Amino acid sequence: NAGVMQNPRHLVRRRGQEARLRCSPMKGHSHVYWYRQLPEEGLKFMVYLQKENIIDESGMPKERFSAEFPKEGPSILRIQQVVRGDSAAYFCASSLNRDRVYEQYFGPGTRLTVT
Amino acid sequence: EDKVVQSPLSLVVHEGDTVTLNCSYEVTNFRSLLWYKQEKKAPTFLFMLTSSGIEKKSGRLSSILDKKELFSILNITATQTGDSAVYLCAVYSGAGSYQLTFGKGTKLSVIP
Repeated sequence: NAGVMQNPRHLVRRRGQEARLRCSPMKGHSHVYWYRQLPEEGLKFMVYLQKENIIDESGMPKERFSAEFPKEGPSILRIQQVVRGDSAAYFCASSLNRDRVYEQYFGPGTRLTVT
Repeated sequence: EDKVVQSPLSLVVHEGDTVTLNCSYEVTNFRSLLWYKQEKKAPTFLFMLTSSGIEKKSGRLSSILDKKELFSILNITATQTGDSAVYLCAVYSGAGSYQLTFGKGTKLSVIP
């Protein structure tokens, strides 16, 4: 029973490049959440998606960041024109449905380093 | 804005010691509080607490919630080096919000 999968695990980008982070939820889960963890900080909510729908993006920066969860395939968090301040660990979590929001299972994270 | 504060931020103990980690919160429409253990990778779920005064227990770990004083504690007895991790507390407030609000975590180091 595969858990939440994220790739790549480590990603290095130069300033100005694009970063694409992928998340495949647990089998049977159709709800995905993205969190960012800066050094010495807690996890900060970014966005909550259902298949083909963004439910809550209140934690997403207004520019350069976007997320999608298509009908087929993984959820993608996309960061355009990355800056040094985007360096962080990005975690994805999934839940079975909207009623089980509190029961989120986390992936191993993608550590983004912007040079 | 919902707020979760954990203390201490870090803690070093010897194997066999008992530790208590604290989590206080200020949220609107509290629904539940969750504890996670984060080693080098994914946070793993430990407990979910919804009702005051009911202790949840799993092996050497236990947790309890006080909804009147707005805090929770996580106890670990007879600590082992494998307990070394960051322990995260999160609150789910429901009411149209789908996000967990996390504290900064307590970094526990257990030395032999």
